[in-house]
This record gives sequence, C-alpha cells and structure tokens, in this order.
Amino acid sequence: EPEVTQTPSHQVTQMGQEVILRCVPISNHLYFYWYRQILGQKVEFLVSFYNNEISEKSEIFDDQFSVERPDGSNFTLKIRSTKLEDSAMYFCATLRTTYQETQYFGPGTRLLVL
Amino acid sequence: GESVGLHLPTLSVQEGDNSIINCAYSNSASDYFIWYKQESGKGPQFIIDIRSNMDKRQGQRVTVLLNKTVKHLSLQIAATQPGDSAVYFCAESMKAAGNKLTFGGGTRVLVKP
Repeated sequence: EPEVTQTPSHQVTQMGQEVILRCVPISNHLYFYWYRQILGQKVEFLVSFYNNEISEKSEIFDDQFSVERPDGSNFTLKIRSTKLEDSAMYFCATLRTTYQETQYFGPGTRLLVL
Repeated sequence: GESVGLHLPTLSVQEGDNSIINCAYSNSASDYFIWYKQESGKGPQFIIDIRSNMDKRQGQRVTVLLNKTVKHLSLQIAATQPGDSAVYFCAESMKAAGNKLTFGGGTRVLVKP
C-alpha cells in the first residue's frame, strides 16, 4: 500500500537556525498539507498546497514558514528562524483529489528546538 | 510560561468488550468527518470516514455514527483488542474550505487483557 514518507524522523536544532522538513507524497496525490502537533496537544492545520501554490494557511503559518515542491515529488516545509515554541511533531498529509477526501498522513518529523 | 498539554480523556476497556468514543465537532457546515487512530510516536492512521449526508457507516469492527442535530460523532469498536490501544481523534472538514482537517482533542483507549 502506498505511503507518505517523511524525513528526517527526528531533528534537533538551535533556536534561530533554519530547518527543512521533507515529505514524499503518495504518487498520484495532488493536494498536500502540513500539520503540527505540540506534545500532548491535538493536531493543528498549518498549510495546504495545490498546483504549486498555497491554498490556505493558518494563523500559525507566519512569515517564518514556507512550503514548496522543488522537484515535483518532494514537498518541503521550511522554518527560517526556529523558535522554542516550534518544537512539535510535524506531519505531512496528502489527498488524491477533492472527490476522495481521506487525507493520508506520514509518520511525522519530531522537531526539537533548543 | 510553558503551555500545558491537553488532559486526554481515557477509556479503559476490557479486551473483547465494545468501545464507544464520542466527539463533539464545532462547525455545522462541515461535510466530511474522519476518525483517526494515533499510536505513540506515529502519524494519524485513517480508520473510517462518513459524509454529512449519512448518519451511520460500518467498517470492519468499527462503526461511525453522525448526529448533525447536536454536532456529535461517535466511533464504536467491536470486540476491542490490545492492538486498539491508542489515542483516537475525530476530524472534520469542508470541501469548500479545501478539505483542511480540524481535529478534536482526542480520547485515549486502554485495552486491559
């Protein structure tokens, strides 16, 4: 069964550093999402991406965040200058079409900002 | 100060018994609902979904019930097994809003042997 994959599984970084989280969507999926989950809290929507542009973003997704699909396969989330409160699990999710509404999640990247 | 994580409600259930997990959703305009299972350190795993034009849907050992009048969703797990121990989240979405998912707070299910 096709799966969403994410790398790295864990990332430790110093405050102020840039991080790039990577996702490989399921091959025929067209809609891509990033969510985050702070430890012990619920999953929160960050951003949705379709046709090489952002469809929607949450209040969390400020100017420090960016997404792109640089090579037509990988889908990346970049945090330019990490803050302590960015420590969380980051999940990529993908969706084939809006007529199939089930989003499939990757295993996540655990980001720890020190 | 540091934010405190949510205190998850916990459902303890004997192996072999049925489990019922409840969820109140927030947006009356949501048209699609999903139950996800999350095991420790892993991503949410799809269990079952239901569209707003239905009130019940059955899968293998799982049933989802939707009550739009009171904005309530439930997940029933038949003959609960140790492998069902996890945190369960409901999520709602609207096609008109790009299908972004809004998650509920989650319920921890502990299956006792």
